[in-house]
Amino acid sequence: DVKVTQSSRYLVKRTGEKVFLECVQDMDHENMFWYRQDPGLGLRLIYFSYDVKMKEKGDIPEGYSVSREKKERFSLILESASTNQTSMYLCASNLSGGTYEQYFGPGTRLTVT
Amino acid sequence: GENVEQHPSTLSVQEGDSAVIKCTYSDSASNYFPWYKQELGKRPQLIIDIRSNVGEKKDQRIAVTLNKTAKHFSLHITETQPEDSAVYFCAARWAEGAQKLVFGQGTRLTINP
Repeated sequence: DVKVTQSSRYLVKRTGEKVFLECVQDMDHENMFWYRQDPGLGLRLIYFSYDVKMKEKGDIPEGYSVSREKKERFSLILESASTNQTSMYLCASNLSGGTYEQYFGPGTRLTVT
Repeated sequence: GENVEQHPSTLSVQEGDSAVIKCTYSDSASNYFPWYKQELGKRPQLIIDIRSNVGEKKDQRIAVTLNKTAKHFSLHITETQPEDSAVYFCAARWAEGAQKLVFGQGTRLTINP
């Protein structure tokens, strides 16, 4: 059974703080993704990674960066958190050359005050 | 880039009735269309998907239809049950060989007993 875990379910940070969200998958998936979920806007892709140390911008990368030093771990970094980054953040992973199904983590609800 | 529009944003049906959710996509090169279900407080999970070489696919009470000419696809749920209440997301894979999915805005489906 594929397991994708995220470091926190709930997080409260202050404006200007540096925030790290971590995602770990245990199925040796090459591809990992970070989305943010907002009501009425669906899931919007922030960044994704095809391999260790590889990253590509998604549709809304501004204000975010990512790090993938190990295959199983994909980190999302908010360099200087702002109130408009208050959201639900979802990580996902899948296998290259597979069925394209993405397996999601439980999500981190981030509040920036 | 690829854009996916999903309607309606909310849908309320009586238990036992059918529910239909529709999505349109912009990139005619898209060839994979999954549907994800997200129950309250849980992670999105794939419930059914369809590839562009198929017009319809069924799995028990759920089915997906694809009209490539019109660039739209639909989710059909028959004999709805209370456990079908959830948010449903459609998505499209935006290019051959790519892993990136573009998601619709989501539909909150409520089944009334």
